Amino acid sequence: IVVTQSPVTLAVSLGERATINCKSSQSVFSSSNNRNYLGWYQQKPGQPPKLLIYWASTRESGVPDRFSGSGSGTDFTLTISSLQAEDVAVYYCQQNYNTPPYSFGQGTKLELK
Amino acid sequence: QVQLVESGGGVVQPGRSLRLSCAASGFTFSSYGIHWVRQAPGKGLEWVAAIAYDGSERYYADSVKGRFTISRDDSKNTLYLQMNNLRPEDTAVYYCAKDKLETSGYFQDYWGRGTLVTVSS
Repeated sequence: IVVTQSPVTLAVSLGERATINCKSSQSVFSSSNNRNYLGWYQQKPGQPPKLLIYWASTRESGVPDRFSGSGSGTDFTLTISSLQAEDVAVYYCQQNYNTPPYSFGQGTKLELK
Repeated sequence: QVQLVESGGGVVQPGRSLRLSCAASGFTFSSYGIHWVRQAPGKGLEWVAAIAYDGSERYYADSVKGRFTISRDDSKNTLYLQMNNLRPEDTAVYYCAKDKLETSGYFQDYWGRGTLVTVSS
């Protein structure tokens, strides 16, 4: 499964909404459990990735509620409702459908405008 | 608290071998699948390999299949990645990461800080 993110770079002002898109080459939805096998990660410079969202829309414990995930099948979105300075990072989506390989998107660099 | 600590990285010549280790603590190691993910300098994340919680299944990216071997020693709470016939394009920071859910292989909630492997003559 190939995962494609857009845009590659995104510049957003503090307090504004940021939207990152992720598209998979085939559906990552399982009708057996009604779940989408899609996760979102945040990576800041010099740090390992951090899991933000799993099952496409479930926020990981401790992640601020300004982060939300949506979508189903092949099209997904990560939304930051009100950008904070600490949200500047690279964001990756990853599909975890069926068995590995679990491909990542190429990443979206989120910057301050 | 959950900790994953990678080691074994370094500079190695093309065609040579290297073994990475990932020491785990703070959780029941034998109940979780573990992954290796790498990141070339200035590039994105690339999933490399995974091993099931019980070692029954192992998976590899096409780019490393036949050259890398993932294994685990539950008595030592340690994951390994044996890397043979290394190529310059294997140069990257290698992270180990545990699955979020027990006995299932989905989403990685804890990551180590990584170990740098440089393949160069």
